[in-house]
Amino acid sequence: DAKTTQPPSMDCAEGRAANLPCNHSTISGNEYVYWYRQIHSQGPQYIIHGLKNNETNEMASLIITEDRKSSTLILPHATLRDTAVYYCIVRVNTNAGKSTFGDGTTLTVKP
Amino acid sequence: EAQVTQNPRYLITVTGKKLTVTCSQNMNHEYMSWYRQDPGLGLRQIYYSMNVEVTDKGDVPEGYKVSRKEKRNFPLILESPSPNQTSLYFCASRFGQSYEQYFGPGTRLTVT
Repeated sequence: DAKTTQPPSMDCAEGRAANLPCNHSTISGNEYVYWYRQIHSQGPQYIIHGLKNNETNEMASLIITEDRKSSTLILPHATLRDTAVYYCIVRVNTNAGKSTFGDGTTLTVKP
Repeated sequence: EAQVTQNPRYLITVTGKKLTVTCSQNMNHEYMSWYRQDPGLGLRQIYYSMNVEVTDKGDVPEGYKVSRKEKRNFPLILESPSPNQTSLYFCASRFGQSYEQYFGPGTRLTVT
């Protein structure tokens, strides 16, 4: 799996968009970008994933650069409940193999 | 409701007393996994299972056992717990090749 780099922490004002970056410069052509979040001591929650195209669901949008070396998770209108650790993971889709979560970005949404 | 359940949610035990943490999912997922989470060390995978009777070690398997006799259940067994196994444990499952995992609510284990 490709290595990812995320800032350790970010702040965002409530109601504003939160843009969380992830660098994955060694990503290979068949690797997907997945995002999870973990609200304090709860089980991690899947948010979204993508391969090449930008993706959007009810929780967030995922923007992947054309060269696929970086991506941004966008929470369009952050709320206090979005305060969490956000993990960016890059890997192939396979039913085998280990699973690795990095350190993630701690997003704090402030009133 | 699609979910992963774990029991117990909280457990305090003593060194050497065998215990089992149960995990069950109702989504017919083939892949199940156990993680532990410790401050400063993040989520680390203990064991995973790709299907019934197929299990393999993750990054930190020492001191743990697992079994997968049925598709829905994946218990984590600590034969002789030690204080360094005090941690927050999560079970997860997913379907097929996608990495879209569903996590349980966690089990907070304290070994004294």
